[in-house]
Amino acid sequence: KNEVEQSPQNLTAQEGEFITINCSYSVGISALHWLQQHPGGGIVSLFMLSSGKKKHGRLIATINIQEKHSSLHITASHPRDSAVYICAPNTGNQFYFGTGTSLTVIP
Amino acid sequence: NAGVTQTPKFRVLKTGQSMTLLCAQDMNHEYMYWYRQDPGMGLRLIHYSVGEGTTAKGEVPDGYNVSRLKKQNFLLGLESAAPSQTSVYFCASSYNRGGGTGYDEQFFGPGTRLTVL
Repeated sequence: KNEVEQSPQNLTAQEGEFITINCSYSVGISALHWLQQHPGGGIVSLFMLSSGKKKHGRLIATINIQEKHSSLHITASHPRDSAVYICAPNTGNQFYFGTGTSLTVIP
Repeated sequence: NAGVTQTPKFRVLKTGQSMTLLCAQDMNHEYMYWYRQDPGMGLRLIHYSVGEGTTAKGEVPDGYNVSRLKKQNFLLGLESAAPSQTSVYFCASSYNRGGGTGYDEQFFGPGTRLTVL
């Protein structure tokens, strides 16, 4: 049983394109995190959100609690955005992790 | 600040050997976690700790033991390694703001790539 489903699994884009990564989850959550895993393996936290929308630079994350769905958008994508993006809803005492979306941005 | 560090970065073991992975954080975080990451699967929680001297089982604890004798360190032990434990292991830590773990950003270490032959 997968509590977290991400789509697409793989994504290739041209530099400058607008990117959307989707996350659907089945558990009741207190917050949802988006993580970025670099090609070298390191993982960093991008966003934590429990409602609405957040923006950091070219990255925008939205969440719809009623529909149990979150999206990560990247505007004006750049090759340095190439990474795996992981959705991680949290129930208040447990994280669930998606398998990630592998993004490649071509110059 | 070094953040979260892990030792070693790579290791190859033979079946039945034992080893300890060390995680250290210098952010005075209460919570620490050990995850494993396998191809095609999301991160899976092995064990976690909500404070010095406390540990708890996660989703996949079998074959692993942990200790948190000092707040800044979280050790993961494999007593008798098996090929199924070949994986990349990540340690993470977070500050406890209360209200559960959901609101706390996790800081991850660089990972340890373990191969068991």
